[in-house]
Amino acid sequence: EVQLVESGGGLVKPGGSLRLSCAASGFTFSSYSMNWVRQAPGKGLEWVSSISGSSSYIYYADSGKGRFTISRDNAKKSLYLQMSSLRAEDTAVYYCTRDHSGSYGSIDFWGQGTLVTVSS
Amino acid sequence: DIQMTQSPSSVSASVGDRVTITCRASQGVSSWLAWYQQKPGKAPKLLIYAASNLQSGVPSRFSGSGSGTDFTLTISSLQPEDFATYYCQQATSFPRTFGQGTKLEIK
Repeated sequence: EVQLVESGGGLVKPGGSLRLSCAASGFTFSSYSMNWVRQAPGKGLEWVSSISGSSSYIYYADSGKGRFTISRDNAKKSLYLQMSSLRAEDTAVYYCTRDHSGSYGSIDFWGQGTLVTVSS
Repeated sequence: DIQMTQSPSSVSASVGDRVTITCRASQGVSSWLAWYQQKPGKAPKLLIYAASNLQSGVPSRFSGSGSGTDFTLTISSLQPEDFATYYCQQATSFPRTFGQGTKLEIK
């Protein structure tokens, strides 16, 4: 069974940093591109960042470019999102997600999400 | 960036109704489009990928169609568990973008 379990969310002050982690199980982690998608309270879904299986290709939304860094450790089956210079508008539930095995760009599994709150 | 626009933003319907939600892309995305369902407090769930392919385990009352810039999600006969918010997402290029969502409510 595919499982994605996020951790690392919490309350942080504006300008602060936070590192999100996602532990993956139930599939060959290194074979899949992975993503972070976020959802601000009461709002829609926003793609944040993607990383290919070998970390060769990395993409960011403009909202996080220069502040967020996505990475992965295939040996540990883990995905990370290092966030710095956090702003109030980064407040959201952050989901760890897996790209669909048979269709590029679709997301077939989502974690339960971890809440990041940026507030003084 | 490719903008995704869904309509309507909300719709009220009854159990047994047929409902159609549309999604329009600001430029062609071929068939690289997905549909998701999200219930309150839960993670989204993939319904349709590549515009018209039903994800494993999803009931056959859900169907998707379209290509290029115009897409539809159809629920043939609404069930109580279908009342949720639905999102489309283009998967052809980065940044990946979602529609703003369509909230399906009970009439």
